[in-house]
Amino acid sequence: AQKITQTQPGMFVQEKEAVTLDCTYDTSDPSYGLFWYKQPSSGEMIFLIYQGSYDQQNATEGRYSLNFQKARKSANLVISASQLGDSAMYFCAMREQETGANNLFFGTGTRLTVIP
Amino acid sequence: DAGITQSPRYKITETGRQVTLMCHQTWSHSYMFWYRQDLGHGLRLIYYSAAADITDKGEVPDGYVVSRSKTENFPLTLESATRSQTSVYFCASTELGSFAYEQYFGPGTRLTVT
Repeated sequence: AQKITQTQPGMFVQEKEAVTLDCTYDTSDPSYGLFWYKQPSSGEMIFLIYQGSYDQQNATEGRYSLNFQKARKSANLVISASQLGDSAMYFCAMREQETGANNLFFGTGTRLTVIP
Repeated sequence: DAGITQSPRYKITETGRQVTLMCHQTWSHSYMFWYRQDLGHGLRLIYYSAAADITDKGEVPDGYVVSRSKTENFPLTLESATRSQTSVYFCASTELGSFAYEQYFGPGTRLTVT
């Protein structure tokens, strides 16, 4: 079973509008972390935001917020006031504590295109 | 330069050749990782290392060898390259202590096996 599922291969959003990128996860580990990374066309992986499984509040970082619904096992990324520079691939990822490897499990990504 | 670097950035090789991808980090992070990125699969873990001289397999280790004699270096070797190993390879590092620690990624190596 996939640990991270991103069901939106591509999304379009009008500039200055908000957009939600979906992410669901699957784990039996009570301790885990959820991450979002941005990959622009230049190829580098840019960390955006983190949410811990025990965090009570949704994480926010500037225009990025993570809508964490633990019971639904979802960790959607919300980008407010979209900018042209937000056009990129976005990856949701999870780290589980019990594996001990500290590696990330990635989804297949969502390509976001911001329309002027 | 501080950070995590990979070399070469681009490589074209022939089937059957041995190729080594280099990764160097300046933070002295304990953990280092190699991922490959393929369309439709996201990033998948090849190998990881928890410290110098400690390495272990990830999800897709077949055909790859790693070593870590020094904390800062984590080379990945394709012993006999195959076309299926054409991919973008990312090295990453992170530290112990906080579960929230992000992984820092290198710029990637685009490998083409002909």
